[in-house]
Amino acid sequence: DSGVTQTPKHLITATGQRVTLRCSPRSGDLSVYWYQQSLDQGLQFLIQYYNGEERAKGNILERFSAQQFPDLHSELNLSSLELGDSALYFCASSLTPGLAGEETQYFGPGTRLLVL
Amino acid sequence: GENVEQHPSTLSVQEGDSAVIKCTYSDSASNYFPWYKQELGKRPQLIIDIRSNVGEKKDQRIAVTLNKTAKHFSLHITETQPEDSAVYFCAATRNTGKLIFGQGTTLQVKP
Repeated sequence: DSGVTQTPKHLITATGQRVTLRCSPRSGDLSVYWYQQSLDQGLQFLIQYYNGEERAKGNILERFSAQQFPDLHSELNLSSLELGDSALYFCASSLTPGLAGEETQYFGPGTRLLVL
Repeated sequence: GENVEQHPSTLSVQEGDSAVIKCTYSDSASNYFPWYKQELGKRPQLIIDIRSNVGEKKDQRIAVTLNKTAKHFSLHITETQPEDSAVYFCAATRNTGKLIFGQGTTLQVKP
């Protein structure tokens, strides 16, 4: 158990719908990262937050958005869902990015999203 | 842009043999290189990492080597066991923490 929690574990929804994925980082970690893992794309970085502020962005679609709340948990919102959005969505957390010994990212168990 | 190439995509070895997975990164400013192991349906788990000021790091049967000049780093697993069978991902990042992952290597260790 990494200490990172994600809910829900599984989500089945229809095209055009909107869903929210939730992540709680390890106790003490300030940074949260979201990754998408699909069969043909591997692990793709989506977005990173550090202490409530957006820190880095990957190739995240405009239909996707995220935020980190004052208690440091994070939510990833996916809207106007398409079939191709079906994937495993992982959240990871770390203490301090870029600082030796504090940059290790610990992954949560993931949310498996299926869009029908 | 930032890119990490990983080879091979699949690797099959006999139990007890060694396995080597190689990665090449494009961003010369990358300074942190973790390796993750992912079993089917599970989360990626860190197995070893290395920073750019170190050329080699070892942890029991696992070692990682880094060649900054060639922008190349490798994972070495010795005395492989069936429980080493999984998908292995290399990654690279600068100080931002944004991990750029390789495409993954499926390692099969045959008993």
